[in-house]
This record gives sequence, structure tokens and C-alpha cells, in this order.
Amino acid sequence: DQQVKQNSPSLSVQEGRISILNCDYTNSMFDYFLWYKKYPAEGPTFLISISSIKDKNEDGRFTVFLNKSAKHLSLHIVPSQPGDSAVYFCAASEDYGQNFVFGPGTRLSVLP
Amino acid sequence: DTEVTQTPKHLVMGMTNKKSLKCEQHMGHRAMYWYKQKAKKPPELMFVYSYEKLSINESVPSRFSPECPNSSLLNLHLHALQPEDSALYLCASSARGLGNTIYFGEGSWLTVV
Repeated sequence: DQQVKQNSPSLSVQEGRISILNCDYTNSMFDYFLWYKKYPAEGPTFLISISSIKDKNEDGRFTVFLNKSAKHLSLHIVPSQPGDSAVYFCAASEDYGQNFVFGPGTRLSVLP
Repeated sequence: DTEVTQTPKHLVMGMTNKKSLKCEQHMGHRAMYWYKQKAKKPPELMFVYSYEKLSINESVPSRFSPECPNSSLLNLHLHALQPEDSALYLCASSARGLGNTIYFGEGSWLTVV
């Protein structure tokens, strides 16, 4: 049973528009969430995090929103750039960052 | 510097071979991890070392043997692997404490023939 779900395997967005990647989780004990970006043949690269005491965290073009009651988080990228094309993983931990569970990933394609 | 270095980048080994994957970080992180990632799947946690002691072993077969010689190094010893063990093996590290990000290396691509 997947504890972290990313129900969209892929997403295509026009350059300059907003990309919204979604993540749902089932474990209400999760209290720390990360988003990673992964290019082919490379390890995951950390993008942004959020703890359960916040509902929003922003870093440049990246904003993560957390809705604890819905067990849902989303990553907004605006404006989207072709270099953002990658697989995006949502990860969650119930012990503030020791044992992370990853979602299956969403492949984002930003079209010029 | 947020770098985790893994060697080798690619490894091909037979089912009777013994080999090792190596990982190094100089960020002063006291938690280090091994993840396994198969194609089109998310990374799956294998082992966690905390202060050079094994703290989590996610029911990994004994043909995988981790070792943490010191706070900067993490090895994964491989012996009698199966073809289905072919995957990308990712090392990661993080500082101990609340809300710390884990940083990944680029991974070691392992092919078992």
C-alpha cells in the first residue's frame, strides 16, 4: 500500500506558465515533506521542504503548499522553464527527516 | 558544499563476484543512507546509519552488507547478487536533528549478469 501517492505520472506545461505537481499521503503521522527533482542518470536534487507546522513555503520560483486535513501537498513552479523538465518526487517522513518514503514521481515536460 | 560523492558510477558484476560501492560526504552529516531505485520507480530505503551505527535495515537481504568506517564514509558490500538486484544505488546524507534535508549522490548504476 503506497503511503505517498503522485497520481499524475506525467504533466506537460507551456514555458512561462505555472506547473502544479500534486502529492497525497495516507499516513497522518508524516510531519516533514520534501520535493526532489531528478534528471536521467543523476541522483535526486533537493528543491524545497515543508514541515507540518506550516502550510506554505516559498523559495524563488518554487512554492510548496501543505493541506494537512486533506493529506495533500502541491508544488507550484512559476514561471516554468524548459530546464525544469525532469521527474519530480514527493517524499515524506514521520520522524522529522530520518526515514523518508518517496512517491512514484511525476514527469514534468515544459514545452518551449 | 552539498556534495555526496559515489564511486563507481557504473558497475557490472557476475553473480559470484564480490564488489563494493563507496560513498563519501564532507558536510559533517552524521546520518547516511543507502537507497535502491529501479527504473520508473521511486527510491526505496535500504539502510540508515546514525552516528556510524546502523539504525535502520529495511529487511534487506544479507547479500547486501553496509559498512560505515567513519562519519564521512559509507560502503555497500555486494556478494552473490541476483540479476534482479540490478538498479541505481543512491547514497544520501543528512544532519541529525529536526527537519533536515537529505542530500543525494549521483548514484551507482549496478548491473548483475
